[in-house]
Amino acid sequence: AQKITQTQPGMFVQEKEAVTLDCTYDTSDQSYGLFWYKQPSSGEMIFLIYQGSYDEQNATEGRYSLNFQKARKSANLVISASQLGDSAMYFCAMRGRNNFNKFYFGSGTKLNVKP
Amino acid sequence: EAQVTQNPRYLITVTGKKLTVTCSQNMNHEYMSWYRQDPGLGLRQIYYSMNVEVTDKGDVPEGYKVSRKEKRNFPLILESPSPNQTSLYFCASSRPGLPGDTQYFGPGTRLTVL
Repeated sequence: AQKITQTQPGMFVQEKEAVTLDCTYDTSDQSYGLFWYKQPSSGEMIFLIYQGSYDEQNATEGRYSLNFQKARKSANLVISASQLGDSAMYFCAMRGRNNFNKFYFGSGTKLNVKP
Repeated sequence: EAQVTQNPRYLITVTGKKLTVTCSQNMNHEYMSWYRQDPGLGLRQIYYSMNVEVTDKGDVPEGYKVSRKEKRNFPLILESPSPNQTSLYFCASSRPGLPGDTQYFGPGTRLTVL
């Protein structure tokens, strides 16, 4: 069964510091994609970063990077130099190859950036 | 502008009164999907569609119907809403081809069933 686990319901980080949001996953697929989305208080879902299971390098997008450890089945999101606008819910998600029509989301992590 | 639109954005209704939430995308995506978001549960997939006239159940399809008569539209139908369907609903679309094809989400519809 496919499953995404985010064990941090809420986190605080000081502005300008880096923060890591944890995500572990369970899948029997050999090929899959991992995504992170941001949901600010306004409610929309914003795509941040993607990591393919066969990608050899960790994905990076500006201040976002994905610490992908395939053997441990973890795909942690690292936000460098946190900004007040980073305060939001963050969701980890997975899309499998065997059934790429189904997306699986974690329960989310609420990040609060303190000034 | 590439986007997914949903209407209405907010809806308060009563138990048993049929309702439809519309979803439309202008990116010519084959794949569309509906999710509900509940606190502590993240997003759960209700139904998805691979193309016109092709739909399938997600993880929580009970109490919902969908149709895909046109590529751009994917309405969500609640024939007899109940209070446990009070939730935030998202429509999303993407290309279907590869695991790396991310979804583009609509702005969400907040539904309250009294």
